[in-house]
Amino acid sequence: EVRLVESGGDLVQPGRSLKLSCAASGFTFGEYAMHWVRQVPGKGLECVSGISWNSNTIAYAGSLEGRFTVSRDNAKNSLYLQMNSLRPEDTALYFCVKERGSYFSGAFDLWGQGTMVTVSS
Amino acid sequence: EIVLTQSPGTLSLSPGERATLSCRTSQSVSSRRLAWYQQRPGQAPRLLLYGSSNRATGIPDRFSGSGSGTDFTLTISRLEPEDFAVYYCQQYGTSFPWTFGQGTKVEIK
Repeated sequence: EVRLVESGGDLVQPGRSLKLSCAASGFTFGEYAMHWVRQVPGKGLECVSGISWNSNTIAYAGSLEGRFTVSRDNAKNSLYLQMNSLRPEDTALYFCVKERGSYFSGAFDLWGQGTMVTVSS
Repeated sequence: EIVLTQSPGTLSLSPGERATLSCRTSQSVSSRRLAWYQQRPGQAPRLLLYGSSNRATGIPDRFSGSGSGTDFTLTISRLEPEDFAVYYCQQYGTSFPWTFGQGTKVEIK
């Protein structure tokens, strides 16, 4: 079965760190670019970060101000998002997403169910 | 950053009716770089169309898309009960961040 399963979401205090993981199965993970997209419950969708198939191209939303780091391990079919200096406005459901292409060129054709990150004191 | 504006915010229709959803971009977007997604309550978004008019795998042919430049349209020819959901347009493949519209909710009248 083709699927993406996120984990690592939690309730954390402002200023703390959190690392999200995404396990991919059912397709050749190493051939596709991957992304993180977040959604505040009841609100719209926001692209957070993307990484090409070989990790040579990485991009982030400007609003993150360098606090997040995306990485991948193709041998483990896994995608990660290291989130530092978390703020209340980072509270959202974080989706792991597969792109149709390898190099930031395709629409998002596979989504995980999301992992919830809540930043609150 | 390219801003996408969807209209209407909510569309109230009955099953069997035709739905027409609009997506306007703040600057010209290649029709090859425009996608539409459906999100049902409690579910992740699902890709419907990419390249403005190409249906994703498993998407029924009642969903169609068109447009160019700054104006794009998603049409659902005859609404089925499972089509009542929120729909998002997205531009991709340009400079990051790729952006989504704010969504159009299609609700049962």
